[in-house]
Amino acid sequence: AQSVSQHNHHVILSEAASLELGCNYSYGGTVNLFWYVQYPGQHLQLLLKYFSGDPLVKGIKGFEAEFIKSKFSFNLRKPSVQWSDTAEYFCAVRRTGFQKLVFGTGTRLLVSP
Amino acid sequence: DGGITQSPKYLFRKEGQNVTLSCEQNLNHDAMYWYRQDPGQGLRLIYYSQIVNDFQKGDIAEGYSVSREKKESFPLTVTSAQKNPTAFYLCASSTRGQGDSYEQYFGPGTRLTVT
Repeated sequence: AQSVSQHNHHVILSEAASLELGCNYSYGGTVNLFWYVQYPGQHLQLLLKYFSGDPLVKGIKGFEAEFIKSKFSFNLRKPSVQWSDTAEYFCAVRRTGFQKLVFGTGTRLLVSP
Repeated sequence: DGGITQSPKYLFRKEGQNVTLSCEQNLNHDAMYWYRQDPGQGLRLIYYSQIVNDFQKGDIAEGYSVSREKKESFPLTVTSAQKNPTAFYLCASSTRGQGDSYEQYFGPGTRLTVT
């Protein structure tokens, strides 16, 4: 069965620190990859997505992610976090041709001012 | 304003009662989804529907039922057979597109508490 792993369950950073959240998936075929964010009290929203082409994807609010096919990874990065980045982050994978998304267990990020 | 609405925001029920959660979208999306979110477990798919009058079980369908009589609406019933119904329930919708336009849009969620 396809699975998505997010190894960091809780991350605490100070403002201006760099962020990298790990995401690995188990499926070997062609996949679409997503990062979603859930700010406190808000809807889950899309940060960025990868379908094809340049493996370095830029999203909203200064986030980016790199797809490394050989490592089955799609790690999320931000060079300098802000207090407003405090949220829960979810990686999700869609097998090409299927409607379903499979989500990771999420990473709670706390940025202290 | 296009989007997904879920009502109510908070719902309380007694054990043994069925309860129906509402989800409506005006994005003209063909596909709709129900997820359950529990702390430390991410989002797990309950049911999804790719088109009106059709739906498929997700990974944790036991104790739940759905209907899709209209494109805009995908209500979820949590039955008394669901062993652990207290959770945060999220509805989503998407196009059926195969290209990179595919994206799931989420509603604000309903927090169900069963005592």
